[in-house]
Amino acid sequence: AQTVTQSQPEMSVQEAETVTLSCTYDTSESDYYLFWYKQPPSRQMILVIRQEAYKQQNATENRFSVNFQKAAKSFSLKISDSQLGDAAMYFCAYRRVGTYKYIFGTGTRLKVLA
Amino acid sequence: NAGVTQTPKFQVLKTGQSMTLQCAQDMNHNSMYWYRQDPGMGLRLIYYSASEGTTDKGEVPNGYNVSRLNKREFSLRLESAAPSQTSVYFCASSEIQGYGYTFGSGTRLTVV
Repeated sequence: AQTVTQSQPEMSVQEAETVTLSCTYDTSESDYYLFWYKQPPSRQMILVIRQEAYKQQNATENRFSVNFQKAAKSFSLKISDSQLGDAAMYFCAYRRVGTYKYIFGTGTRLKVLA
Repeated sequence: NAGVTQTPKFQVLKTGQSMTLQCAQDMNHNSMYWYRQDPGMGLRLIYYSASEGTTDKGEVPNGYNVSRLNKREFSLRLESAAPSQTSVYFCASSEIQGYGYTFGSGTRLTVV
């Protein structure tokens, strides 16, 4: 069975600094998607970034980028120039191609210090 | 604004009561989902509907039923609420597999 592990329950970063959130996953599949979702205090789940497993190039979205290491089954999220509005829970998620079900990690709470 | 609308946002039930959580999306998505979020456990899939007219169980379907009323609406029913069903419930929808979900804003349900 596939699993997603976020080993950092909580992280802190100074405003304007860079932080990296870790995610590892376990799967025997070769075709899948990986996602990072942000959940601010408003509770709304927001898609931050997605990565297709067949793509070697790491996805980037403005200040957000990933380090996708397929062989190591690692999918970390880097947030550059952290802002107060980045404070949230961040969830890593996996979805096998051809299925509808996501598997979510347990989340990392990010605090941004002014 | 286009998106996924869930009602209600908050609800308190007594053990044994029933209720239906409503979800509607206006993005013409085929697939819709219900998840529950519990502290330290991430989000777990309760039920999903790949397309209008179909529903399937997820990881934690016991104690729940769903109805895909039409392409837009997907409701979740608790027939006899239990304290273990205290959680935050999210509805989501998607069109293209792998593209990512659009989530509703969630329902915080407390069963006392």
